[in-house]
Amino acid sequence: ETGVTQTPRHLVMGMTNKKSLKCEQHLGHNAMYWYKQSAKKPLELMFVYNFKEQTENNSVPSRFSPECPNSSHLFLHLHTLQPEDSALYLCASSQVDGGGNQPQHFGDGTRLSIL
Amino acid sequence: KQEVTQIPAALSVPEGENLVLNCSFTDSAIYNLQWFRQDPGKGLTSLLLIQSSQREQTSGRLNASLDKSSGRSTLYIAASQPGDSATYLCAVPLGGGADGLTFGKGTHLIIQP
Repeated sequence: ETGVTQTPRHLVMGMTNKKSLKCEQHLGHNAMYWYKQSAKKPLELMFVYNFKEQTENNSVPSRFSPECPNSSHLFLHLHTLQPEDSALYLCASSQVDGGGNQPQHFGDGTRLSIL
Repeated sequence: KQEVTQIPAALSVPEGENLVLNCSFTDSAIYNLQWFRQDPGKGLTSLLLIQSSQREQTSGRLNASLDKSSGRSTLYIAASQPGDSATYLCAVPLGGGADGLTFGKGTHLIIQP
């Protein structure tokens, strides 16, 4: 596979469930990102990982818990979510060098619906 | 706090027309600006990235310009085709290095056959 792969593509869960979203990048990049895309709102940055270290948490509620075991894999663990958390969750990766001016590449996202 | 605005929110034109999509940002101290397209139910496809030192970038029928001092960028699409129908998004980094992007709400483009 090439590019950025996200699984599952669709997820329906109850508010009391625990689930995880997975992202894998095959581009050899060293930075990975989670974004949330809700209807009628711009994409919102959630988390940034650079060389497996979290460098950004954009005031995300603790019911979202990221994990980056290596530079190719990124997870988003979900628990006790709310209906307003229903959205498309997008993962991205990029290569960060001294200039930091490389494009971000996105996966197709996981469409999450909270019942 | 950086804010990104895209105008128009939606656009519908006949096939073959040249068109311009607009993007503005409030903080001109950006490292680069990136244009994406998003097809329904899909992720984002990177179209063009303009470095802060560049004035424009071209890829096929697409041309993006950047005027940092005025906080504006335009995406020019030449000879539009039905396959260009998508939502177009512009985004700027929050800072340098591994930084997330701040996005506009996008322009929903429909090219009529």
